[in-house]
Amino acid sequence: ILNVEQSPQSLHVQEGDSTNFTCSFPSSNFYALHWYRWETAKSPEALFVMTLNGDEKKKGRISATLNTKEGYSYLYIKGSQPEDSATYLCAFLNFNKFYFGSGTKLNVKP
Amino acid sequence: DGGITQSPKYLFRKEGQNVTLSCEQNLNHDAMYWYRQDPGQGLRLIYYSQIVNDFQKGDIAEGYSVSREKKESFPLTVTSAQKNPTAFYLCASSTPRLAGGHNEQFFGPGTRLTVL
Repeated sequence: ILNVEQSPQSLHVQEGDSTNFTCSFPSSNFYALHWYRWETAKSPEALFVMTLNGDEKKKGRISATLNTKEGYSYLYIKGSQPEDSATYLCAFLNFNKFYFGSGTKLNVKP
Repeated sequence: DGGITQSPKYLFRKEGQNVTLSCEQNLNHDAMYWYRQDPGQGLRLIYYSQIVNDFQKGDIAEGYSVSREKKESFPLTVTSAQKNPTAFYLCASSTPRLAGGHNEQFFGPGTRLTVL
């Protein structure tokens, strides 16, 4: 079983704050790194699929970077809004199997 | 609308009984997956299937069984051999990487199973 770690476990920020979290994964046999957003009472939804070292992806106020050589990815949220409150999961794809981190739970206070 | 459905949302069973969780998708995806979530842990892979009539064990397959007779359906049976079956179960589907996809996973709403 491969180890995927996310930090911090939870985060409480004020509306308007920018924040970032980390996903660490094995640096060998890398195929892809996925970020998912999981809101309460909903299904997880894909944010980014990252496949190349140095990848940077952006969707609105959310962006992510990837370093496959050292085995980490950062997710950034600029100017957090209450609707950003969710658990953010990363998943490491090794051959055909996914290994998920335990997530970072973000709470944005108005 | 395309998507993945899981039923039921909540399920209660007595210890020692087998129970089958349903997962159906109309996204025309070849690959389907079953995950289990326990408090404070990440999603753990139980079984996955890349194509009809084929499936592979994930990391925690003991006490579970699956079938993949149709592309749209991937039911999971939690058997009495599963020592700690109470958990939240998520089904997902994707286009396999080998088929030109990126394996982006689409998830169902989940089934919360409680064994009494």
